[in-house]
Amino acid sequence: DAGVIQSPRHEVTEMGQEVTLRCKPISGHDYLFWYRQTMMRGLELLIYFNNNVPIDDSGMPEDRFSAKMPNASFSTLKIQPSEPRDSAVYFCASSFRRGHEQFFGPGTRLTVL
Amino acid sequence: KQEVTQIPAALSVPEGENLVLNCSFTDSAIYNLQWFRQDPGKGLTSLLLIQSSQREQTSGRLNASLDKSSGRSTLYIAASQPGDSATYLCAVIPNSGGSNYKLTFGKGTLLTVNP
Repeated sequence: DAGVIQSPRHEVTEMGQEVTLRCKPISGHDYLFWYRQTMMRGLELLIYFNNNVPIDDSGMPEDRFSAKMPNASFSTLKIQPSEPRDSAVYFCASSFRRGHEQFFGPGTRLTVL
Repeated sequence: KQEVTQIPAALSVPEGENLVLNCSFTDSAIYNLQWFRQDPGKGLTSLLLIQSSQREQTSGRLNASLDKSSGRSTLYIAASQPGDSATYLCAVIPNSGGSNYKLTFGKGTLLTVNP
């Protein structure tokens, strides 16, 4: 398996623009997670899905953030409108079952100017 | 609210030395604990996962132990090599039942192994 795939790897955009991050989990994994990593706050869970259903989105910082999982092999995290404080590395991870290892993608480094 | 602390924040050792990284958590009701490694500019690589019923896990030169009652885990690295240089993170999942699956991370320990 190719592991968790994320695109793009780097994104530079201007404040106010819409940003869409994409993730393809490992085939057969039931859980998908979106994390954000910054120097100040470390790694934070934004939202996670189980069998394509959002389970907990309490980590989503604002209404500007939204996430979808239309099928078992694809998820998106959208920021609209983007702000400079959204600059961070966004990771997607997946897991086979609850309690199993989480496998992370390479991340998307987002810079909002 | 679960809090995970890793001490030290940074560690520098000469090649060949055995070392221990520490992780502590405030709520002992955990489902499991996972250790990760992160190289600069890269994603996280899973190293070891310890279920709450286990006391340790081993993989090659790595050994992770878990003491739930004291809220502590250690990652032991034997015969360290320069390639082990990275940030090591521990994370816990609460044992709150249902579908709660929030992984709480520590801030990590930055390890440098000098040749």
